Amino acid sequence: SQKIEQNSEALNIQEGKTATLTCNYTNYSPAYLQWYRQDPGRGPVFLLLIRENEKEKRKERLKVTFDTTLKQSLFHITASQPADSATYLCASPYGNNRLAFGKGNQVVVIP
Amino acid sequence: SAVISQKPSRDICQRGTSLTIQCQVDSQVTMMFWYRQQPGQSLTLIATANQGSEATYESGFVIDKFPISRPNLTFSTLTVSNMSPEDSSIYLCSAPTGLSEAFFGQGTRLTVV
Repeated sequence: SQKIEQNSEALNIQEGKTATLTCNYTNYSPAYLQWYRQDPGRGPVFLLLIRENEKEKRKERLKVTFDTTLKQSLFHITASQPADSATYLCASPYGNNRLAFGKGNQVVVIP
Repeated sequence: SAVISQKPSRDICQRGTSLTIQCQVDSQVTMMFWYRQQPGQSLTLIATANQGSEATYESGFVIDKFPISRPNLTFSTLTVSNMSPEDSSIYLCSAPTGLSEAFFGQGTRLTVV
């Protein structure tokens, strides 16, 4: 069955450095992947969508890549700030607008 | 974009009782979804709330346990029935806008004692 996986370990990073998160998928080929941010006690908030024919997408200090050969998406936060501390979720569609989510990665930016 | 208001934001319930969670969208949306997020886990889709017809449930979820209503294009409810401590979780409603993004309510944190 199709799976979407994120290494659920927390990532502690120094302020100003780049945080890089990985999302892997198996047994299928999604047309696109989405990344969301979730803060404690809140619902996820959409950040970026990248399609299978796009190698890279950027939004301000965020960058997402999509490698269909490796079946992987990387999510980068450049020049990280303490306000970037949150859990980041990868999501993939699987029909009728449904989304499958990875477990998420908690990012902690240390001042 | 869409703004989704979900209530209650949290509740503590006795086992064996039921809780109904409401979700209101500020615009008409074709589809609404209900997710569960257990501690330390990701979001798991419970069902798709269909306007004018029965909800479509994912594997492992049944209507008797999670009845859903969708009376119009802006509103839906999820009931968690005959609750047990295993139902303690965060429940989230969501509405997609085409392919671009999904909007979520703030979630309902349910604790069953």
